[in-house]
Amino acid sequence: KAGVTQTPRYLIKTRGQQVTLSCSPISGHRSVSWYQQTPGQGLQFLFEYFSETQRNKGNFPGRFSGRQFSNSRSEMNVSTLELGDSALYLCASSYQGGGNNEQFFGPGTRLTVL
Amino acid sequence: KQEVTQIPAALSVPEGENLVLNCSFTDSAIYNLQWFRQDPGKGLTSLLLIQSSQREQTSGRLNASLDKSSGRSTLYIAASQPGDSATYLCAVRRPGYGGSQGNLIFGKGTKLSVKP
Repeated sequence: KAGVTQTPRYLIKTRGQQVTLSCSPISGHRSVSWYQQTPGQGLQFLFEYFSETQRNKGNFPGRFSGRQFSNSRSEMNVSTLELGDSALYLCASSYQGGGNNEQFFGPGTRLTVL
Repeated sequence: KQEVTQIPAALSVPEGENLVLNCSFTDSAIYNLQWFRQDPGKGLTSLLLIQSSQREQTSGRLNASLDKSSGRSTLYIAASQPGDSATYLCAVRRPGYGGSQGNLIFGKGTKLSVKP
């Protein structure tokens, strides 16, 4: 069974640009969550999608947005990039069938903003 | 507000030693607690998941315990090996709203180095 995949693995952008990251969950998983990891703040929750609906959102500015498609694949978008957006962006999927809500993470996308 | 703390921040041990990593959380209202391993520049690998009604989980040389009332969890690694060197992260899943199961709240991790 394939794991969570994220593309691209590495990105370099300049301030003011926008970027789109993609995540494909484990087959059969319907929940996708996004996290940002930085050396200073650690891992912080961005948002969660289930059945194409955003169900939970972390404390990030509106420049960060996302969506989920009918096949459960998800994208996140960051507009007007700032230097502080440089981070490892991790996607996690879970079955969301109730009970065992173990989350499985992808390898991440390393975003560098110059 | 839920906060997760991991002590120590870094740990260096000789190969073969048994060791314990600590995790504490401030709010006992959690769905579950999950331990992860992260290698440098990589994603997170799930090690153990303990539901809020459970006291411990075991997988191979790993054993994790959960004491919700005191807000503590420990990860025990038996007979450590150089390949165990990584950062170990503890995360609690808090209750959500509007049908959500809630998000994970992470500690800053313990960086483990096992010397041959």
